Amino acid sequence: GAGVSQSPRYKVAKRGQDVALRCDPISGHVSLFWYQQALGQGPEFLTYFQNEAQLDKSGLPSDRFFAERPEGSVSTLKIQRTQQEDPAVYLCASSPREGRAYEQYFGPGTRLTVT
Amino acid sequence: QKEVEQDPGPLSVPEGAIVSLNCTYSNSAFQYFMWYRQYSRKGPELLMYTYSSGNKEDGRFTAQVDKSSKYISLFIRDSQPSDSATYLCAMSGDAGGTSYGKLTFGQGTILTVHP
Repeated sequence: GAGVSQSPRYKVAKRGQDVALRCDPISGHVSLFWYQQALGQGPEFLTYFQNEAQLDKSGLPSDRFFAERPEGSVSTLKIQRTQQEDPAVYLCASSPREGRAYEQYFGPGTRLTVT
Repeated sequence: QKEVEQDPGPLSVPEGAIVSLNCTYSNSAFQYFMWYRQYSRKGPELLMYTYSSGNKEDGRFTAQVDKSSKYISLFIRDSQPSDSATYLCAMSGDAGGTSYGKLTFGQGTILTVHP
C-alpha cells in the first residue's frame, strides 16, 4: 500500500518568506509526528498529533513554527519568516495507534533551503 | 550533553565483515529501543526494536540492550554493499512519561561496506 508522502520534496525559500510543508500519512493512521533533521544529525522531534489534537508541541523551536491537522488526516507544518537556522529536512511519520514508538513509518522528507 | 550519543563514524568495512554499531543514553525512562536505516535522500526505515533489556535477532541483524549500562548495540553479520547507509538508534519511553511515543534519535553512524 501507499506509504507516507510529503510535498514538496524540495523547497527553496528566500529569507523572511513563509513556507508550508504537507504530509499525507498512511490511511487510517491516528498518530502523526513531525521531525527536523539537520545535515549530519539525527531527526529531532517537533510535534505530535493524535487524530486532530496536537498533544505535544514541545519540540517546535520558536513561535514561527506552526503545525495543524484539522481533519485528523493530512497535516501541514508552516514556518513563518524563514531564517538562516531553518534549513533542514523536515520528516513526517505516522503510526497506526497511540504510543507505538516502534511503529512509526517515515515519509521521504521535505528538504528546505533558505537563500 | 544529548540524551542519546552515537558515534557518527564514518565506518568502512569489507564485504562479509561483522559490523558493530552502538549508542549510549542518559534518560532512564527510555523503554523502547529502535534501530533505523536511512539511505541518502530517504526517510528512516525501521530495522528492529527491543522493549526493555535483552537481545533480539532478525536474520543477519542482532540488537542488544543493556539498561544497567544504558548502552545498546546493533550487530550486522555478513555485511553486504547494500547495507551501506546511515544507521540511527532511537528511543522512547512508556505511557505516562514525557518521552512517551516520540522518538529521541542518536546522530547516526555512516556505514560503507565495500566489495
